[in-house]
Amino acid sequence: KNQVEQSPQSLIILEGKNCTLQCNYTVSPFSNLRWYKQDTGRGPVSLTIMTFSENTKSNGRYTATLDADTKQSSLHITASQLSDSASYICVVSPLSRRGNTPLVFGKGTRLSVIA
Amino acid sequence: EPEVTQTPSHQVTQMGQEVILRCVPISNHLYFYWYRQILGQKVEFLVSFYNNEISEKSEIFDDQFSVERPDGSNFTLKIRSTKLEDSAMYFCASSEQDYQVGELFFGEGSRLTVL
Repeated sequence: KNQVEQSPQSLIILEGKNCTLQCNYTVSPFSNLRWYKQDTGRGPVSLTIMTFSENTKSNGRYTATLDADTKQSSLHITASQLSDSASYICVVSPLSRRGNTPLVFGKGTRLSVIA
Repeated sequence: EPEVTQTPSHQVTQMGQEVILRCVPISNHLYFYWYRQILGQKVEFLVSFYNNEISEKSEIFDDQFSVERPDGSNFTLKIRSTKLEDSAMYFCASSEQDYQVGELFFGEGSRLTVL
């Protein structure tokens, strides 16, 4: 069964510190892996999209890595800001012959950045 | 910047009533989706829509649900007879390419409360 597991479930860090969020998935084969940021009560916003052949992708202070062999991805946030407080969701797009297998969402990691 | 817009932002309804949630996707996008998120849980796929027909739907999307693109700009989700367990945030999304490769843009969501 296609699954995406994220850890930790929640995380509290001080403003200015770095952090790394983890994503393990069982989706195989897959087309791409995405990280989304979701503020409370808002829609998810895309941070990065990586194809199965990419190892790393950056978007400002956000850097995502992908190891397709171990089926793991991480999202590293540098120099955190209060506005980084949100849920970060890992999403995997299965590669299917029919081409229409839905995206598989993780439950997200709830990050709180405090002053 | 183009965005997906959703109305209403919040709707409260009695069990058994019909509800219509509306979405205006980004104008040059061809693929449309509805997702839902029950409070504290992960985002779940409901349905995808392309070329004026449903391309994929989940087990959640039963006969009580329907989608329509009535006028070339709006994309609606109808729940015919709401149940308590339909209470959730409903997100509309659109993409220029098929979701397996294209970036999804989510709306801000419509919160549905069924009493």
